[in-house]
Amino acid sequence: EPEVTQTPSHQVTQMGQEVILRCVPISNHLYFYWYRQILGQKVEFLVSFYNNEISEKSEIFDDQFSVERPDGSNFTLKIRSTKLEDSAMYFCASSEASQSAGELFFGEGSRLTVL
Amino acid sequence: KNQVEQSPQSLIILEGKNCTLQCNYTVSPFSNLRWYKQDTGRGPVSLTIMTFSENTKSNGRYTATLDADTKQSSLHITASQLSDSASYICVVMGNYGGSQGNLIFGKGTKLSVKP
Repeated sequence: EPEVTQTPSHQVTQMGQEVILRCVPISNHLYFYWYRQILGQKVEFLVSFYNNEISEKSEIFDDQFSVERPDGSNFTLKIRSTKLEDSAMYFCASSEASQSAGELFFGEGSRLTVL
Repeated sequence: KNQVEQSPQSLIILEGKNCTLQCNYTVSPFSNLRWYKQDTGRGPVSLTIMTFSENTKSNGRYTATLDADTKQSSLHITASQLSDSASYICVVMGNYGGSQGNLIFGKGTKLSVKP
């Protein structure tokens, strides 16, 4: 069964360092998303991406964050200068369409720990 | 303010027993309601998606109900198994044009099934 894959599964970094989280969405999906979940809290939307550009972003997704689809398969989230409060599980998701009833498939997540 | 509230926060049941999880929401306008299962440290996995016109939807031992008038939903698990131990997240999509960024997540109910 096709799945969304994410790497790394866990990354530890020092405050102020840059981090890149990688995702390979399901191959025939056109819409890509990043969500994050701080430990013990609810999942929060960060950004959606379609046709090589950001289609929507939340207040959390400030200038510190960027997304890119560098080739035909990868979808990356870059955090430029990490802060302690960026420690969270980051989930990539993809969907075939942006229709309101579209199925959203999540990856296993990348746990980011900022020291 | 668009919110999704779930109860109980946590629940312990014995294997083989049934249970019902509740979700109340204030998201408006409403597009659809989703239930996800999230194993510890893993990504959410979709169980059901229900639109305004659907009252009940089943997926194996999982049955979701939706009352769009009272803005309530429930997830009923029949004959629980140890593998049902997970967080169950209620997610409501607002109808703002079809973007998946309108998903409002609840905090989840943590279910523990004991032998």
